[in-house]
Amino acid sequence: GESVGLHLPTLSVQEGDNSIINCAYSNSASDYFIWYKQESGKGPQFIIDIRSNMDKRQGQRVTVLLNKTVKHLSLQIAATQPGDSAVYFCAPRPMDSSYKLIFGSGTRLLVRP
Amino acid sequence: EPEVTQTPSHQVTQMGQEVILRCVPISNHLYFYWYRQILGQKVEFLVSFYNNEISEKSEIFDDQFSVERPDGSNFTLKIRSTKLEDSAMYFCASSAQGGRTNTEAFFGQGTRLTVV
Repeated sequence: GESVGLHLPTLSVQEGDNSIINCAYSNSASDYFIWYKQESGKGPQFIIDIRSNMDKRQGQRVTVLLNKTVKHLSLQIAATQPGDSAVYFCAPRPMDSSYKLIFGSGTRLLVRP
Repeated sequence: EPEVTQTPSHQVTQMGQEVILRCVPISNHLYFYWYRQILGQKVEFLVSFYNNEISEKSEIFDDQFSVERPDGSNFTLKIRSTKLEDSAMYFCASSAQGGRTNTEAFFGQGTRLTVV
């Protein structure tokens, strides 16, 4: 079955530094990936997505890299701010599903002032 | 900015009672979802809904669960006879598209269900 794992459960960074959050997935047939951010007491908030025919996508202060060979995603946040403190999930969509997302256990990002 | 809204924010119910969780998806969205998150655990998919029928459901979504779109704006999740293990945060989500042309799902703030 599909499983998603995060390399580091907690990441602590200094404000202004860049953050890199990693995610490994097991289903090589996943074709669509979303990064979500979840602040305490709130629902997941969309950050950026990437399709399997791409290996990099950039947004505002965020970049997602996809390495399908090793089934690995990373989320890079430039100039990390206190407001970036949250739990980050990668959510691949399995190829055999048109609708559901599989969430990992998440990485908690702590930004030190 | 359009958002998914959920009511109530917190629901306490006795074991065995029926509970209905309500959601108003983003108005021009066509695909609707329920997910749940047990405290300290992952967000888990429950069900997706399109064109007035369930398009996919997980093994968690057993006969105790049902979904309905009673009118043009609301999307509800009903749990017929709640169990202690149903205690969780329930998230509603919607997306403009689905299927193989999937776009991102937007999530509501969640309803915290506590079964006592």
